Amino acid sequence: ETGVTQSPTHLIKTRGQQVTLRCSSQSGHNTVSWYQQALGQGPQFIFQYYREEENGRGNFPPRFSGLQFPNYSSELNVNALELDDSALYLCASSSDNRNTIYFGEGSWLTVV
Amino acid sequence: EDQVTQSPEALRLQEGESSSLNCSYTVSGLRGLFWYRQDPGKGPEFLFTLYSAGEEKEKERLKATLTKKESFLHITAPKPEDSATYLCAVFYNTDKLIFGTGTRLQVFP
Repeated sequence: ETGVTQSPTHLIKTRGQQVTLRCSSQSGHNTVSWYQQALGQGPQFIFQYYREEENGRGNFPPRFSGLQFPNYSSELNVNALELDDSALYLCASSSDNRNTIYFGEGSWLTVV
Repeated sequence: EDQVTQSPEALRLQEGESSSLNCSYTVSGLRGLFWYRQDPGKGPEFLFTLYSAGEEKEKERLKATLTKKESFLHITAPKPEDSATYLCAVFYNTDKLIFGTGTRLQVFP
């Protein structure tokens, strides 16, 4: 049990729609990052939040955006969904020292 | 270009047949190398973090080692429940994890 919870677990959206995924990080962890994992691939870094500020971003377009709240929970928003956005979206939390980085079970997004 | 390469892509073992998985990396300023286990449809489960060449860590039948260019995950006398995809990731100056594509391990009774 990692203490990182994500919702929803599965969802289906139509191309062009918008989606919001949520993550509750482990107690005491102030850093949250989001990853996209396509089938058969390793997770790809989307962005990271530290104390409510974005402090790192991967090679994803601006329609991928996020928020971190004062309780360190986080949201990932994706606008104008495309078919290629279908993937497992993972949230990871860690403390300042990054000694351990724990992942949630992920949100499966299917875009049709 | 910063890269993480895992080999083999897939590995089939008989129960009790020990083996090793490899993770090689080409990044500068390594701050840590992580190993994760991932079951189908689930998020990655944290196994180990290694920080410097020569470091070793063990957990049950798993032992992870680190050199300046690669890491090995040794599996001793595996059981069917060890079947999973094992992911390696490096953490360096950019504060993000760079993952390999994983080794899919199947252990048969």
